[in-house]
Amino acid sequence: EPEVTQTPSHQVTQMGQEVILRCVPISNHLYFYWYRQILGQKVEFLVSFYNNEISEKSEIFDDQFSVERPDGSNFTLKIRSTKLEDSAMYFCASNKGGTLFLNEKLFFGSGTQLSVL
Amino acid sequence: AQKITQTQPGMFVQEKEAVTLDCTYDTSDPSYGLFWYKQPSSGEMIFLIYQGSYDQQNATEGRYSLNFQKARKSANLVISASQLGDSAMYFCAMRETYTGANSKLTFGKGITLSVRP
Repeated sequence: EPEVTQTPSHQVTQMGQEVILRCVPISNHLYFYWYRQILGQKVEFLVSFYNNEISEKSEIFDDQFSVERPDGSNFTLKIRSTKLEDSAMYFCASNKGGTLFLNEKLFFGSGTQLSVL
Repeated sequence: AQKITQTQPGMFVQEKEAVTLDCTYDTSDPSYGLFWYKQPSSGEMIFLIYQGSYDQQNATEGRYSLNFQKARKSANLVISASQLGDSAMYFCAMRETYTGANSKLTFGKGITLSVRP
């Protein structure tokens, strides 16, 4: 079964540094998402992306965050100047989109564990 | 108000017994979808089951079934014949249509389930 791929699986960075988290969504999917999960807490929506632009973003997704689809396969999340509270598991997800079906599930990657020191 | 509420503390169940994980939701959208995901200790998010707001019957997927009570706004997951591999965090999530057919999923805080041998 096709899957969403995320790299790296673990990323350690110093506070104030920029990080880029990478994702390869499933090839025929059109809608892409980033979520984060602080240790032991709920999965929080960050941003959705369609047709090369942001569809929706949460209040967490401030000016320090950006997303990009630099080519036909990758989808990236950039954090410009990391803070301690950015430490979390970051999940990329995708779905086909283009339908009116509510039941279309999100396919999640295995996540990138970001640790900001 | 919380969109998805999962208030049970850590749940324990004996192997081969059934267990119910509670989920209540809040929406004014007449059309919505409810999802359950499983997150084992390895961290990935695994889709389990879906229930649409207009579905006449409760959803079932193998050992998973959904006890959907629309008037009470609850969508409890029932796992029958628990197995040791069912030990994981379980998340309830909702998709509303107000932002479009492919709007995000909103997750609850999750419930930890431990299956005892």
